Amino acid sequence: AQSVTQLGSHVSVSEGALVLLRCNYSSSVPPYLFWYVQYPNQGLQLLLKYTTGATLVKGINGFEAEFKKSETSFHLTKPSAHMSDAAEYFCAVSRGGTSYGKLTFGQGTILTVHP
Amino acid sequence: KAGVTQTPRYLIKTRGQQVTLSCSPISGHRSVSWYQQTPGQGLQFLFEYFSETQRNKGNFPGRFSGRQFSNSRSEMNVSTLELGDSALYLCASSQIAGVVSYEQYFGPGTRLTVT
Repeated sequence: AQSVTQLGSHVSVSEGALVLLRCNYSSSVPPYLFWYVQYPNQGLQLLLKYTTGATLVKGINGFEAEFKKSETSFHLTKPSAHMSDAAEYFCAVSRGGTSYGKLTFGQGTILTVHP
Repeated sequence: KAGVTQTPRYLIKTRGQQVTLSCSPISGHRSVSWYQQTPGQGLQFLFEYFSETQRNKGNFPGRFSGRQFSNSRSEMNVSTLELGDSALYLCASSQIAGVVSYEQYFGPGTRLTVT
């Protein structure tokens, strides 16, 4: 079985500060990893994904994440927070192959950005 | 291309009733997945359909069912509604090319309230 743990249900940063959202996963097979963002009353938007290849993945809106197999982590970072980054962020894992369409999500981290 | 569309966006039902939710995937996407989002349980996978066949299934009771049509549109049905079924139901579609699956794109969701 796969699982995802997001450390910290709420993270608060100042505008311009580093954003770091933590995600650890558990998977018996090489994982496919994703970060999604959800704004109020909206669906999920894909920020970035890791499938194979380069372990540092760049996404939209200046976000990036690094896949660290030894630490079973896939933390999301952004060098400088913007007010528009305030939202809820979800880390997700899938097994790939015919199970690619089954995502297992973490509990989410609400990011607050202060002026 | 138009995004994933879900209808209706909001729905209020009474305990014991049944409900059908609809999802139209992005043109060319043949895989459709459904998720339930609640404050207590977070995002949970319901099922995935590909080429009119259920390919993956989550841990939900048999009251939750779905189907996919030849044009890839999908519906999910919940029978004998319970208060705990109140949730945001999200649909996601993805492109399949041979054995390669691509990222999931989410719709805005259907907010179901059971009274």
